[in-house]
Amino acid sequence: QKEVEQNSGPLSVPEGAIASLNCTYSDRGSQSFFWYRQYSGKSPELIMFIYSNGDKEDGRFTAQLNKASQYVSLLIRDSQPSDSATYLCAVNTNAGKSTFGDGTTLTVKP
Amino acid sequence: NAGVTQTPKFRILKIGQSMTLQCTQDMNHNYMYWYRQDPGMGLKLIYYSVGAGITDKGEVPNGYNVSRSTTEDFPLRLELAAPSQTSVYFCASSFQGSQPQHFGDGTRLSIL
Repeated sequence: QKEVEQNSGPLSVPEGAIASLNCTYSDRGSQSFFWYRQYSGKSPELIMFIYSNGDKEDGRFTAQLNKASQYVSLLIRDSQPSDSATYLCAVNTNAGKSTFGDGTTLTVKP
Repeated sequence: NAGVTQTPKFRILKIGQSMTLQCTQDMNHNYMYWYRQDPGMGLKLIYYSVGAGITDKGEVPNGYNVSRSTTEDFPLRLELAAPSQTSVYFCASSFQGSQPQHFGDGTRLSIL
């Protein structure tokens, strides 16, 4: 079992729809959770981070965390073609060790 | 505001050669990381450092070495390059281990 698993892609949604990206992790000692966006040929950039159970909203993005189920998700509302990218889930322990999932590629069709 | 700077951006090596990938950050971050990313895959942690003089292995450390003599610099050394080390290498930093990471632009390395 991988330490961090993301739903297999690619994921395709029409413009204006909600895109849902999911991630599960195996290390119960994980304390901080991140979603990064990576355009082809570019470096990852931070979209959202979440530390506590529940929802965290930032504009069109909502991160959800459920530590009991070891599950973290990212919702993108009103998806735009510019949201087309690979989304990476990352999980950190307090010691600083960081583990990434393999990513989910999202395509938003106009 | 430079952030995280990686050099070189591209490099081709022959099998058996060695090289050092440079990474420097100007944000006074304590934590620094080296990742490799193979095509279509996520980032795999090679080594990380929680501060000057302290380094620890990640998921895929074999064939690599690191040092952290200053807060700013975290070079990655490849000894005896092998084709399996062909990849894109990213350096990243964060103030603390629980905080988001800032990434450099990456080094594309091919070993032939």
